[in-house]
Amino acid sequence: EVQLVQSGAEVKKPGESLKISCKGSGYTFTSYWIAWVCQMPGKGLEWMGIIYPGDSDTRYSPSFQGQVTISADKSISTAYLQWSSLRASDSAMYYCARRKVTDDSLDIWGQGTEVTVFS
Amino acid sequence: DIQLTQSPSFLSASVGDRVTITCRASQGISSYLAWYQQKPGKAPKLLIYAASTLQSGVPSRFGGSGSGTEFTLTISSLQPEDFATYYCQQLNSYPITFGQGTRLEI
Repeated sequence: EVQLVQSGAEVKKPGESLKISCKGSGYTFTSYWIAWVCQMPGKGLEWMGIIYPGDSDTRYSPSFQGQVTISADKSISTAYLQWSSLRASDSAMYYCARRKVTDDSLDIWGQGTEVTVFS
Repeated sequence: DIQLTQSPSFLSASVGDRVTITCRASQGISSYLAWYQQKPGKAPKLLIYAASTLQSGVPSRFGGSGSGTEFTLTISSLQPEDFATYYCQQLNSYPITFGQGTRLEI
């Protein structure tokens, strides 16, 4: 079965660092881009950026450039989203998703990782 | 950035109804558009890509059309499991953007 499994919910304080993960299985991880999508509570979807695990080529939305870092470790079929210094406004659900080969639509999604930041 | 505007933002309908959701792009995006369904507490699910191509496993009551700046998602006969929020997504250029969503309720 093709799937993406994300790490569990996190509760952090402002200023702390965080790295969440997304592990792919059931397909060739290095052959598909992985995107990260943010959803604040009760709000819509925001595309954050995308990485090609085969060579770590990465693109960011201008809204998230410099705010987060997207990376991947192809040896363990895992993509990451990390923050060096969290803010309360980073509280959201974060999804990873696999990009189709044919276009940028996202055909396989992780279950989501909820990040809560409060003091 | 390309802006996507969905209408309506909220739609009340009944089982068996035919419903249409519209997505307008701020500039032409050819057929580079996808539609997703999201139920509460769940990840989005891809329904349609390339504006009108049904994703594998998606029921045929879902249909997409349009090109350029105006697109539609049609559900031909609403089923109870279709009550959810629907998002369009443009795939023409980075940054990829989503519409604000249409909430479909009974």
